[in-house]
Amino acid sequence: GQNIDQPTEMTATEGAIVQINCTYQTSGFNGLFWYQQHAGEAPTFLSYNVLDGLEEKGRFSSFLSRSKGYSYLLLKELQMKDSASYLCAVLDSNYQLIWGAGTKLIIKP
Amino acid sequence: DTAVSQTPKYLVTQMGNDKSIKCEQNLGHDTMYWYKQDSKKFLKIMFSYNNKELIINETVPNRFSPKSPDKAHLNLHINSLELGDSAVYFCASSLGLADSGNTIYFGEGSWLTVV
Repeated sequence: GQNIDQPTEMTATEGAIVQINCTYQTSGFNGLFWYQQHAGEAPTFLSYNVLDGLEEKGRFSSFLSRSKGYSYLLLKELQMKDSASYLCAVLDSNYQLIWGAGTKLIIKP
Repeated sequence: DTAVSQTPKYLVTQMGNDKSIKCEQNLGHDTMYWYKQDSKKFLKIMFSYNNKELIINETVPNRFSPKSPDKAHLNLHINSLELGDSAVYFCASSLGLADSGNTIYFGEGSWLTVV
């Protein structure tokens, strides 16, 4: 079966750095997405990785290792507004998106 | 201007009723989707249309029927609503099929509660 695993919840302090991990087992791989979803709102796009390595975009970076079936989202200089759920999603060989359940990130002052 | 808009945002209805959720995108995208997000926050694809043609039809009850009058609209009709249909339904769109990193843009969600 297809599986996306990410921690259910994480807590971090304002101004700190947090890394949210995602491991996947899917039938094929055509890329991995990270989305942010605030409570009661729609998911919004953060990043897309299809090649191994680190992609940096401002305070957010996303890393991919295809051989390990592993990705992480790195958030730096955390702000209170970063409190949200972070969804990992993998595009499988049929170009269907398989979604993880999301990691709820709680930021404390 | 809202890129992907869906209505209604909130819907409370009784078991057995028939209801519709409308979705429109003004991004000029070719592909539209309906997702269901359950209480455990899993986003599950229900349907996907590309240029008004059905390309993904996951295992959902026949009571759910999508209709795409044109490529900017994808409406979801639900017949004989059941308690288990209570969830948040997200409409979404992308420029093409979700490959080559095409970003999926989501609507704001429709909170359906069946009582």
